[in-house]
Amino acid sequence: AQSVTQLDSQVPVFEEAPVELRCNYSSSVSVYLFWYVQYPNQGLQLLLKYLSGSTLVKGINGFEAEFNKSQTSFHLRKPSVHISDTAEYFCAVSKGGKLIFGQGTELSVKP
Amino acid sequence: ETGVTQTPRHLVMGMTNKKSLKCEQHLGHNAMYWYKQSAKKPLELMFVYSLEERVENNSVPSRFSPECPNSSHLFLHLHTLQPEDSALYLCASSPYISTDTQYFGPGTRLTVL
Repeated sequence: AQSVTQLDSQVPVFEEAPVELRCNYSSSVSVYLFWYVQYPNQGLQLLLKYLSGSTLVKGINGFEAEFNKSQTSFHLRKPSVHISDTAEYFCAVSKGGKLIFGQGTELSVKP
Repeated sequence: ETGVTQTPRHLVMGMTNKKSLKCEQHLGHNAMYWYKQSAKKPLELMFVYSLEERVENNSVPSRFSPECPNSSHLFLHLHTLQPEDSALYLCASSPYISTDTQYFGPGTRLTVL
């Protein structure tokens, strides 16, 4: 069975600081990995995805993530956050079109 | 209008009411999904439709009844709900069921009194 664990439920950070949101997955087979963002009162929006190829994936809004197969991780990073990055971030794993989500990490960017 | 739309955005209903949630996608996709998002819990996949046929039903109580009349529209019919059914209900679509990227609507915030 596949599962996704987001290690931090809340991450407070100051504006312009770097941030890393952690995600670990468990799977015995190859997976596709995703990060989605949910702004207040909105649905989920795709930030980036890893399907194959380069392990460093760049997404929208300056975010990037690195797929680490040996550590079964797919951590999300941004070198300098903005107030507008305040949102909830979800890591997900997919197998056969079925998305399995982590519990979410609430990123709070303070001035 | 583009993307995935959901109506209503907010719904308050009593336990004896019958209501329906509507989802419409303008992306030409063939697969559509219903998810439930409760506070402090991961998103739960409820139903999956591919080319208007239900292909997955994740042990959802029968008080939730989906309907997919065509590939652009998806409904979730609600009756005799419980307070614990209060949640954000999200609709999503993808080009095909095997396509991993899903596109989400804004959700319907449901409160059951």
